[in-house]
Amino acid sequence: GEDVEQSLFLSVREGDSSVINCTYTDSSSTYLYWYKQEPGAGLQLLTYIFSNMDMKQDQRLTVLLNKKDKHLSLRIADTQTGDSAIYFCADGEDGTASKLTFGTGTRLQVTL
Amino acid sequence: NAGVTQTPKFRILKIGQSMTLQCTQDMNHNYMYWYRQDPGMGLKLIYYSVGAGITDKGEVPNGYNVSRSTTEDFPLRLELAAPSQTSVYFCASSPGGGQGGWQPQHFGDGTRLSIL
Repeated sequence: GEDVEQSLFLSVREGDSSVINCTYTDSSSTYLYWYKQEPGAGLQLLTYIFSNMDMKQDQRLTVLLNKKDKHLSLRIADTQTGDSAIYFCADGEDGTASKLTFGTGTRLQVTL
Repeated sequence: NAGVTQTPKFRILKIGQSMTLQCTQDMNHNYMYWYRQDPGMGLKLIYYSVGAGITDKGEVPNGYNVSRSTTEDFPLRLELAAPSQTSVYFCASSPGGGQGGWQPQHFGDGTRLSIL
């Protein structure tokens, strides 16, 4: 079946850049998403990238997609303490009731 | 705009009890989903629905049932609660239909369920 993998934990200093990585196995993925989960809350959609794109930038967020290696990354510039959360990547396939396969999540800890 | 609303937020059940987790959305979305999230794990899809009267199993449906009598509501039922069902449950919805493609899912805040 499909598989989406992420490292479990990342610690960065406030003001530095964070890079969260994700690999996936489904070659028919149409959209890839990044969600953020703060403690005790549901998942919020942060950003997404269409599978025919290499890069997408949205303010402090940059998403890079290497479709050949099935590798996705999320870069957060000027990381702030409010960015501390769990980040999930998810891949979605067109025409499958929009079902998503989620990674295990990367816990980002931002230190002062 | 409330989005996706889940009730209750917390619940403790005894083994063998039953309960229904409620989910309602006010965005007129066609697709709805139930996930469970276990510690250190991603989200696993339990059931989903592409419209009123249509439901289908996800990755981990055993021990659960769903119904979709209206577009807005998608309740999840546990008939005989077991300790393995201790988890955080999330409901989500997406627009669905049409041309497919861009279909982000919108999540509720979750129901934290403990079975003792």
